[in-house]
Amino acid sequence: KAGVTQTPRYLIKTRGQQVTLSCSPISGHRSVSWYQQTPGQGLQFLFEYFSETQRNKGNFPGRFSGRQFSNSRSEMNVSTLELGDSALYLCASSQPGLAGFNAGELFFGEGSRLTVL
Amino acid sequence: DAKTTQPNSMESNEEEPVHLPCNHSTISGTDYIHWYRQLPSQGPEYVIHGLTSNVNNRMASLAIAEDRKSSTLILHRATLRDAAVYYCILRDVSNQGGKLIFGQGTELSVKP
Repeated sequence: KAGVTQTPRYLIKTRGQQVTLSCSPISGHRSVSWYQQTPGQGLQFLFEYFSETQRNKGNFPGRFSGRQFSNSRSEMNVSTLELGDSALYLCASSQPGLAGFNAGELFFGEGSRLTVL
Repeated sequence: DAKTTQPNSMESNEEEPVHLPCNHSTISGTDYIHWYRQLPSQGPEYVIHGLTSNVNNRMASLAIAEDRKSSTLILHRATLRDAAVYYCILRDVSNQGGKLIFGQGTELSVKP
């Protein structure tokens, strides 16, 4: 089956602009989580959506937001971009499983690489 | 979430076994040990997970210490395609969601 699809793969923005990234999860997966990856901070959890509701949130400012649609597709938005927002943004989908069985293995997309100038 | 400690980098020769260590001295009884790896220019991918007993799958083996304060990911025959950053992550049994706390991981290089 198709994997996690993220669009766009690459984009360049300038400071102060806003950006929207899209993630299509694996068919049947209802959980979508977002991560930011930078050379300095590594992989950091942004937030997770499950059945259109935000279930978990990481330690990021309110400029970072997201939503999930009824078909489980998700978008994340970053407003008032700063240079430090330049990063690889990764989306992962999962379907909660039985503990000890698959334990909700996460499937990651290839990411959207954002450059802020 | 409890923390893990891994070496920053390791080297291996192709077709030799690789043992990637992970320390997690503050692990709780409900924490599963998960391993993910990230190949260059790709998102992380699940490798293996376990609770108390050693685990094997087509990708690797996971050896868990008796006191569970450490574990070792074993790649039986390293290939060039195994060059990646390997992350050891603790995940509470109640956490069936998408929140994982990644550390810095171990960057594995494989020499031909």
